Amino acid sequence: ETGVTQTPRHLVMGMTNKKSLKCEQHLGHNAMYWYKQSAKKPLELMFVYSLEERVENNSVPSRFSPECPNSSHLFLHLHTLQPEDSALYLCASSLLVGEKLFFGSGTQLSVL
Amino acid sequence: DAKTTQPTSMDCAEGRAANLPCNHSTISGNEYVYWYRQIHSQGPQYIIHGLKNNETNEMASLIITEDRKSSTLILPHATLRDTAVYYCIVRAYFGNEKLTFGTGTRLTIIP
Repeated sequence: ETGVTQTPRHLVMGMTNKKSLKCEQHLGHNAMYWYKQSAKKPLELMFVYSLEERVENNSVPSRFSPECPNSSHLFLHLHTLQPEDSALYLCASSLLVGEKLFFGSGTQLSVL
Repeated sequence: DAKTTQPTSMDCAEGRAANLPCNHSTISGNEYVYWYRQIHSQGPQYIIHGLKNNETNEMASLIITEDRKSSTLILPHATLRDTAVYYCIVRAYFGNEKLTFGTGTRLTIIP
């Protein structure tokens, strides 16, 4: 148990669906992150939030829309995804940006 | 550009020490060496980090060479649960520099 909880654990969606991934951290951290891990590829940083403000957006397509309503919760809203977006989506948090990361177990997403 | 170089895979016998090397020849003075591992189908787990002195915690030891151009992560008594991909990362301790994960070393513990 890392203190970072992601739901759902698995998600299958069609290309026209809209879904959301949820992340919650119980560590009192101020920074939260979304990472994407495609099969046999390194982790890719997607978004970074510090104190609910987005501080980094690594050229992620607009079909991925993050939301950070408070320092404990992070969402990733998904719409009109492509099959190549199928991947493991990982949420992480740290006390401050740049400090050691605590990861959730991830959401395994399949886009059909 | 990759900041670290690690072997693609390694095997280690259960109960023996697992020594995972990492080369980081371009490391700068304010950059730390971090190690994470990722067990199959889980998120990465922080193991240890250091600047220039050797470090030890309940999970592992980190040995950094005097010139800081390479380091070794040591798991003193490997168990089957240590089978994972191990990532060596260098980055400044503070700042918005993103933590870049490479492909890591796939460590397999053999019974």
